[in-house]
Amino acid sequence: DAGVTQSPTHLIKTRGQHVTLRCSPISGHKSVSWYQQVLGQGPQFIFQYYEKEERGRGNFPDRFSARQFPNYSSELNVNALLLGDSALYLCASSLLVGTDTQYFGPGTRLTVL
Amino acid sequence: AQSVTQLGSHVSVSEGALVLLRCNYSSSVPPYLFWYVQYPNQGLQLLLKYTSAATLVKGINGFEAEFKKSETSFHLTKPSAHMSDAAEYFCAVRGDNNDMRFGAGTRLTVKP
Repeated sequence: DAGVTQSPTHLIKTRGQHVTLRCSPISGHKSVSWYQQVLGQGPQFIFQYYEKEERGRGNFPDRFSARQFPNYSSELNVNALLLGDSALYLCASSLLVGTDTQYFGPGTRLTVL
Repeated sequence: AQSVTQLGSHVSVSEGALVLLRCNYSSSVPPYLFWYVQYPNQGLQLLLKYTSAATLVKGINGFEAEFKKSETSFHLTKPSAHMSDAAEYFCAVRGDNNDMRFGAGTRLTVKP
């Protein structure tokens, strides 16, 4: 079975632009979470969605938004990009929420110039 | 609130030597603890998880971790390091916001 897939692999944007990152969960998984990993640090939680509803939100500004589609895939949108948004964005899927294990995709490397 | 602290940002061992990566947790409820590994330019791969079923947890690639409540620890070990074990290792705890809370990571270097 395919694991979590993310697109694109790499992305270069300039300050002020917006970006959309995409994630497809493992087949049968209904929950998707997004994390930001700045170079040299551990991942930081941004959002979790389950059955198209937001179930958790981390400490990120309103420039960050996400949604989940009926097929359980998800998009992460970031507006008004800042240099500090440069990071690896990781998507994780799980069967349910709560205590369920999260499985991570390969990530999207975003560079903001 | 749940959190983890990884002791040592960089650990270096010789091939064949014991690997010990340290993680301490803080949680007001019984924790769900995880170890993930990240190879360069890749995502996170689950090594093992503790969900209160057994205090000694065996994972993939010969790794194991022991949950010690008295010490609030969940250290990762492997009896004999291989060159292929060189990577970044992250300890994580399930948060009460449906999130995973990660430590800062420990970079493992394996010397030939």
